[in-house]
Amino acid sequence: EPEVTQTPSHQVTQMGQEVILRCVPISNHLYFYWYRQILGQKVEFLVSFYNNEISEKSEIFDDQFSVERPDGSNFTLKIRSTKLEDSAMYFCASSDDLGEGYTFGSGTRLTVV
Amino acid sequence: GESVGLHLPTLSVQEGDNSIINCAYSNSASDYFIWYKQESGKGPQFIIDIRSNMDKRQGQRVTVLLNKTVKHLSLQIAATQPGDSAVYFCAEKGSGNTGKLIFGQGTTLQVKP
Repeated sequence: EPEVTQTPSHQVTQMGQEVILRCVPISNHLYFYWYRQILGQKVEFLVSFYNNEISEKSEIFDDQFSVERPDGSNFTLKIRSTKLEDSAMYFCASSDDLGEGYTFGSGTRLTVV
Repeated sequence: GESVGLHLPTLSVQEGDNSIINCAYSNSASDYFIWYKQESGKGPQFIIDIRSNMDKRQGQRVTVLLNKTVKHLSLQIAATQPGDSAVYFCAEKGSGNTGKLIFGQGTTLQVKP
């Protein structure tokens, strides 16, 4: 069964440092997403990406965040200057053209110290 | 017997019983709904979905019911097994084309042997 893969599984970074979280979506999917989940809370939408541009972003996705699809397979989330409150699980997801077949990766646990 | 959960944080059931997990969604314009299962340290795993033009959809041991009048969604799990223990989230997708999912708070299902 096709999978969304994310690397690394864990990332510890110092406050103020830049981090890049990486994802390989399912190959024939056209929509790509990032979500986050603070420990014990619900999953929150960050951003959706289609046709090489952001199609929607949430209030959480401020100027410190950016996404990129640098090649035909990878999809990245960059946090320029991490804050303590950025500590969370970050999930990448992808879906087909109808927004169905929605599949999540296993997540990257980001800890900002 | 059955165990019916209101939208409570935790639902505890006996192995072999049926479970019902409930969810109230927010947007009457949402046209697609998904139930996810999340085990500790993992990403959301697709269980079953339903479109707004349907009231009921059945899968293997799971049934989703949609009541658009009161914006209510439920997940029924037949013959609950220990492996069903997890957090269950409902998610709704709006009628727009961005694919954004809005997640509910989640219900922890505990299955007692």
